[in-house]
Amino acid sequence: KAGVTQTPRYLIKTRGQQVTLSCSPISGHRSVSWYQQTPGQGLQFLFEYFSETQRNKGNFPGRFSGRQFSNSRSEMNVSTLELGDSALYLCASSKWPGQDPFFYGYTFGSGTRLTVV
Amino acid sequence: GQQVMQIPQYQHVQEGEDFTTYCNSSTTLSNIQWYKQRPGGHPVFLIQLVKSGEVKKQKRLTFQFGEAKKNSSLHITATQTTDVGTYFCAGVDSNYQLIWGAGTKLIIKP
Repeated sequence: KAGVTQTPRYLIKTRGQQVTLSCSPISGHRSVSWYQQTPGQGLQFLFEYFSETQRNKGNFPGRFSGRQFSNSRSEMNVSTLELGDSALYLCASSKWPGQDPFFYGYTFGSGTRLTVV
Repeated sequence: GQQVMQIPQYQHVQEGEDFTTYCNSSTTLSNIQWYKQRPGGHPVFLIQLVKSGEVKKQKRLTFQFGEAKKNSSLHITATQTTDVGTYFCAGVDSNYQLIWGAGTKLIIKP
C-alpha cells in the first residue's frame, strides 16, 4: 500500500513569506502528526490531528498552524517565515487507538526540506 | 513536563562491536516505541514494547522495557555498516501522546 506522501519535497522561500506543506496519510490512518527536525536535533513535535481536530500541540509560536481534512489529509502552514524555520518537516500517520489500549507505530513520510533565505 | 532522556548522544564503534542506547522517563510509560533514522532519511518504526520487563529481539537487535516501565534499552550485537543512523525512543504516556528522546547517533569507524 502507498506510504505517507509529503509535498513538496524541497522548498526555498524568502524571509517574511508564508508556506503551506501537504501530507497524505496511509489509507485508513486517521491520525496525522507534524514534526520539525533541524540538523543534529531530534524531533520537535508541532501538532497532531485526528478527525479534523487538533488533539495535541507542541511549543511552537502561533505562526505555525495546521489543519486536517475529512479525508485525513493534512496541511501545515508557516506564516512570516524566519531564517530559523529552515528545517526538515516530517509528517507521520498512525491508526488512532480509540478504545484500543495499544498504540500503533507512526509511519513517517520522506519530509519537506524547507530553506528560508 | 514529562521527559524522556536518551543517552548517549553519539556512539562511535568499530564494525563488529556492540552498541547500546538507553532511554529513561521521568514518569511511568504506557508503552515505548523505537525508531531508526538513516542519514538523509526519515524515522522508521522498529518495534513497540508494552509489558513490564518485556524483551523482544529482531535479529541482532534486542529491545528491553524496564520492570517499572520507566526505562528502555536497545542493544545491537556485532554492528554492521547497515546499522548506521540515529536511533530514537518514544514513550507513550497515559494520554497516548508520544514523548521523544533526543536520539543516539551510531557512527561506525572504518
